[in-house]
Amino acid sequence: GAVVSQHPSWVICKSGTSVKIECRSLDFQATTMFWYRQFPKQSLMLMATSNEGSKATYEQGVEKDKFLINHASLTLSTLTVTSAHPEDSSFYICSARRATGQPQHFGDGTRLSIL
Amino acid sequence: DAKTTQPNSMESNEEEPVHLPCNHSTISGTDYIHWYRQLPSQGPEYVIHGLTSNVNNRMASLAIAEDRKSSTLILHRATLRDAAVYYCILAFTSGTYKYIFGTGTRLKVLA
Repeated sequence: GAVVSQHPSWVICKSGTSVKIECRSLDFQATTMFWYRQFPKQSLMLMATSNEGSKATYEQGVEKDKFLINHASLTLSTLTVTSAHPEDSSFYICSARRATGQPQHFGDGTRLSIL
Repeated sequence: DAKTTQPNSMESNEEEPVHLPCNHSTISGTDYIHWYRQLPSQGPEYVIHGLTSNVNNRMASLAIAEDRKSSTLILHRATLRDAAVYYCILAFTSGTYKYIFGTGTRLKVLA
């Protein structure tokens, strides 16, 4: 068990469009979900921590109005990239964990390309 | 925040054991040590985690130094499918247990 599904796996869209990415924990309830981004040949960078039913906590330098996070249930979190521009092109990865202290389980990522 | 240091890359022959080191000299007493690996264009995959004692599972073994300032991930028999970037991460006890990823070790397995 501990499967995390991310959708879509890739998306290409025009500059100025808003894009929503879904992250679902399929076989467990996730009290906390995390969103990361990863540029080519680089490591994962934590963007925000999301607890079910409360506002997300963003890491320093991440614009909360640009990257909207909603965690409405124990199995679903969404990341919306608003008014996306080419510099937002990246690999976005979510993770989920059952409880504090438990390992995170990651989705397979969403490759976002903004033209 | 406590940091981890890993070699940028390592090579291993197929069917041989691999020892992937990680230094975490600023680890705090209750930080867990987690290991993940990432294949190209995929999210990280959980490998193993531990606190003080050595740990074994079906994928690997984790050897933790007595002073906890370093640890080693052991793959007992490397296969070509083990070629990946391996990340050693400290799970912080200061609230959220969030992960801060370092640069990881790129493992190349030679046939």
